[in-house]
Parts: sequence; structure tokens; C-alpha cells
Amino acid sequence: DGGITQSPKYLFRKEGQNVTLSCEQNLNHDAMYWYRQDPGQGLRLIYYSQIVNDFQKGDIAEGYSVSREKKESFPLTVTSAQKNPTAFYLCASSITSRGSGEQFFGPGTRLTVL
Amino acid sequence: AQKVTQAQTEISVVEKEDVTLDCVYETRDTTYYLFWYKQPPSGELVFLIRRNSFDEQNEISGRYSWNFQKSTSSFNFTITASQVVDSAVYFCALGSVSNTGKLIFGQGTTLQVKP
Repeated sequence: DGGITQSPKYLFRKEGQNVTLSCEQNLNHDAMYWYRQDPGQGLRLIYYSQIVNDFQKGDIAEGYSVSREKKESFPLTVTSAQKNPTAFYLCASSITSRGSGEQFFGPGTRLTVL
Repeated sequence: AQKVTQAQTEISVVEKEDVTLDCVYETRDTTYYLFWYKQPPSGELVFLIRRNSFDEQNEISGRYSWNFQKSTSSFNFTITASQVVDSAVYFCALGSVSNTGKLIFGQGTTLQVKP
């Protein structure tokens, strides 16, 4: 089955720790995205990547880092610099980054800081 | 600046009622794309529809229909004969070539369909 997988589904972090959220897609899509969703709010873009070995900051990149070493993978690291990391994180991909294609989403990772 | 507004935060209806979710967008681009997504309680966003700015034809898919009006910058979504399974958060989103594939999402409308 083609799709996007995210792991883990739930993640608990102590303050001061870095954590990495996994995102893998087997859709052969060029573009990948990370969003953050807070309760009662829409999705806000953290980082996006249009092609392997390239990525750009979104609207709320501070405290986060990414890499895109393989087309299929776009992991997100939540660093200790992110002051309020508790949220629902969604990864998405699209066949093109030209704005015309729909984005397909993974099931999400719910991160809680203890 | 690009913006999407979903003024209805929450809507509650009784099963079999029709319901319309509003979406108003702002953009200076002449070529853009509008989307609707459904987010059920499981959390994963499900793609429902994409519309190009140069195609104002309304679309119907089963109980779902979409009304795109460039004159009012609106892309409203109607569910006919709602069902409990329609309960979810619905997001409207805007994309354009000038925005390099990024989608601008509205705040979402939570729809509750009661039996």
C-alpha cells in the first residue's frame, strides 16, 4: 500500500530533551512538509522540502530542525529550544511543490512534554 | 498576503440535516488552488477536493457538494443529509504556484452530527 507513515504515534518527552519524529512516504513524491496543530487551531507549517538535500523554513521553524537525505524520509527533530512543543505533528507529501497538487497526510504524532 | 477564513468554529446538526461549511480566501495570485480536508477523531487529514482558480464549476460527489465563487472569494462545502460519520473537523486550504506548494489552512470547522 502506498502512503505516509509516522512514528511513533505518541511520544513523551522530558523538558530539555531533543526528540525526533519519523516520517516516511512510498508515494515517490518530491515534496514533503511538517505541520504543527494545536487544539482548536489550524495547521501551521514548520518546514518543507521540495527536493532531496534541500529544505526551507516554514512559519514556525524556531526550535525545530529537519533533514532530507532520502526522497522517502523527512524526519523532524524537536529541540530543547522549542519552548512549547506539546502538540500534534503532521507530516505530508505532494507529488510536486508547485502548489497545484493535493497534499497527502500521515496519521500524526502526538508529542507531550512532561 | 494569503489568508483563509473559516468563520464557523463549531456547527452542530441533527442527522439528515443539510449543513454548509463556509470558506473565504484572500490572494493576489491569478492562479491558485483550493482544497478541503476532513480530519476525523483519529487525526489524519483526508483529502476531499481540489479546485483550480480558472474552473468555477460546482462539483457534487455523493452527499458532498462544493460551491466556488470567485466574485465573493468563497469556496463553500455542503453536506446533504448529514450522517454521524460526517462528524469531524473540516479544513479549507489555499495553495498557489507563487507559494511554492505551501498550503495556507483555515482554522477549521468542527462539525458534530447528532443521531
